[in-house]
Amino acid sequence: QKEVEQDPGPLSVPEGAIVSLNCTYSNSAFQYFMWYRQYSRKGPELLMYTYSSGNKEDGRFTAQVDKSSKYISLFIRDSQPSDSATYLCAMSTTGSGHGNQFYFGTGTSLTVIP
Amino acid sequence: DAGVTQSPTHLIKTRGQHVTLRCSPISGHKSVSWYQQVLGQGPQFIFQYYEKEERGRGNFPDRFSARQFPNYSSELNVNALLLGDSALYLCASSFFPTGDQPQHFGDGTRLSIL
Repeated sequence: QKEVEQDPGPLSVPEGAIVSLNCTYSNSAFQYFMWYRQYSRKGPELLMYTYSSGNKEDGRFTAQVDKSSKYISLFIRDSQPSDSATYLCAMSTTGSGHGNQFYFGTGTSLTVIP
Repeated sequence: DAGVTQSPTHLIKTRGQHVTLRCSPISGHKSVSWYQQVLGQGPQFIFQYYEKEERGRGNFPDRFSARQFPNYSSELNVNALLLGDSALYLCASSFFPTGDQPQHFGDGTRLSIL
C-alpha cells in the first residue's frame, strides 16, 4: 500500500465549476500537508500549506485536512482554463532535523474547458 | 528574487554513462532535496542535504550520489545510467530540513537515456 493515494483522473470540468481534489494517506505521523500545481514541463509550484485538521482558504483555493479520516482535499472555486494542470498532494512528518522527505501522491490531471 | 534554478534543462545520455545535475537554491535556503519524477507519477525522494551533510536518503541504488557546497548549491550524480533512469529530476529548497518548512521546486532537468 502506498503511503499517499491520489486519483490520477483525468478530471475535466467546465469553466466556473467547483473542483474537488482528494488524497488519502496511511501514515498517522504526517503532520504537514501541501498542494502543488504542476504545469506541463514545469516544476511543482506550491499552492497551499497546512498544518493540523481544519480548513485554510487562499483566494479561490481551500485546503481541507481531516486527520481522523486521513483525508485531505483541495477545492477550487470558479475554475478557470488557466487552472488546467496536474495537482499533487504532498505530506511530511514533523522531522527531527535529521532530514525530512515529502511524500507525494501520483497527481490528478485537471482540464478546465472554456 | 530568483527561484530554484537547475541546469541543464534537458540532457540525453546513453546507457552506462554518468551524469551530473546541478541546483542552486533560493537565496537564504540552506536545505536542498532531490526528487525523481517518472512520467505520470509523483516525485520520489532521493536525497536531502543541509549544511553540506546528508540528512536523508530515499530508496535509490548507490549509483545515485549527491553533495552540497558551501554556497548551498548542490549536485546530483548518477553513474552507470539505465533506461529506467529516464525521468524529470527535481531539486527543491527550504530554509531547514524539517517538515514544517515547505519545499520550493525548480523546473527540473529532463534526463533521457537512449
